[in-house]
Amino acid sequence: DQQVKQNSPSLSVQEGRISILNCDYTNSMFDYFLWYKKYPAEGPTFLISISSIKDKNEDGRFTVFLNKSAKHLSLHIVPSQPGDSAVYFCAASAWGGSEKLVFGKGTKLTVNP
Amino acid sequence: KAGVTQTPRYLIKTRGQQVTLSCSPISGHRSVSWYQQTPGQGLQFLFEYFSETQRNKGNFPGRFSGRQFSNSRSEMNVSTLELGDSALYLCASSLDGRSTDTQYFGPGTRLTVL
Repeated sequence: DQQVKQNSPSLSVQEGRISILNCDYTNSMFDYFLWYKKYPAEGPTFLISISSIKDKNEDGRFTVFLNKSAKHLSLHIVPSQPGDSAVYFCAASAWGGSEKLVFGKGTKLTVNP
Repeated sequence: KAGVTQTPRYLIKTRGQQVTLSCSPISGHRSVSWYQQTPGQGLQFLFEYFSETQRNKGNFPGRFSGRQFSNSRSEMNVSTLELGDSALYLCASSLDGRSTDTQYFGPGTRLTVL
């Protein structure tokens, strides 16, 4: 039973355009959401997070949107750069939850020059 | 400040053997979590240690165990290895392990079971 789902295994965009990565979750107890970026042969790197009391959080080129009623979040990257090419993982946690971070299976983003 | 380090980076074992992986957290971090990454299942939480105590545990069999030392360094042990244990094992550290703490990951140990 996958509690965090990233339904697009891959995404390809042109440099300068917007990249939109999507994530859905099923557990209504989740109240904190994160995005991690992973390059080959490296561990995941924290990118941006959002608490369930907010519906948007922005950090430079990266914006995360949370729609609690739809149990959906998305990561927007504007403008996309070739260095953004990586696997992006969505993760969720619940205060006091026993599973700590629950990850999606990732979306491989390719930004073409 | 040095990041999370994991040793060894690569390991090859045969079925039935056991293996121990090591993780050194970022200085000052007291929580260490372990994750297994496989192509089919993504990243799955194994367990979390805080102040030398296992505080959280994922849905893995008892063959997977760990411990944490007084300096916050952690080890993970897998006994009676199976082919399906082949994976990238990631360690992450955070200050106190609260759900809003950012977890910082190490590069992982790639375990191959033959």
